Amino acid sequence: KQEVTQIPAALSVPEGENLVLNCSFTDSAIYNLQWFRQDPGKGLTSLLLIQSSQREQTSGRLNASLDKSSGRSTLYIAASQPGDSATYLCAVLDRGSTLGRLYFGRGTQLTVWP
Amino acid sequence: DADVTQTPRNRITKTGKRIMLECSQTKGHDRMYWYRQDPGLGLRLIYYSFDVKDINKGEISDGYSVSRQAQAKFSLSLESAIPNQTALYFCATSDLSRTGELFFGEGSRLTVL
Repeated sequence: KQEVTQIPAALSVPEGENLVLNCSFTDSAIYNLQWFRQDPGKGLTSLLLIQSSQREQTSGRLNASLDKSSGRSTLYIAASQPGDSATYLCAVLDRGSTLGRLYFGRGTQLTVWP
Repeated sequence: DADVTQTPRNRITKTGKRIMLECSQTKGHDRMYWYRQDPGLGLRLIYYSFDVKDINKGEISDGYSVSRQAQAKFSLSLESAIPNQTALYFCATSDLSRTGELFFGEGSRLTVL
């Protein structure tokens, strides 16, 4: 069974810092990996989607990389801002025996203070 | 209008009552999912449907049932609600034939007293 782990569970940094959030998964047979942002009590907003054949995706100050062989993805946030404060989740779409099943990490709670 | 719409957004009910949460989508996706989110436990899959005639149990289906009335509609029912079903419930959709990207609704907060 696929397991997804996110480290750290929480992160608190001053404004302006560059950040790296980590996501690891146990089974490399994935279809894609997706990073989400969730504000308290709200739904999940898709940030970046990386297909299994891709190595990275970029959107503005966000860059996500994928290394299937090592079972890892990182989300890089450049020049962090207080508005980036939220919980960030990664999810993998499993290509294995349960095709179409998504597996989520528990998230990294990010606080960026002014 | 949102692509994935959940109703109701908030509901307070009593133990033993029947509750239905509804989800509709305008994205034309074939796959729909119901998740629940609890503090400290993350997102857990309740049921998922790959098309109208294909419904599958997720990790925590006990106490829940679903109905896929049409490609665009997927409802979650609690036949007899209990307090430990108090949670934030999310509906999501995806289309594996394209990118497989997952899109979420805004969530339905359910409180069972």
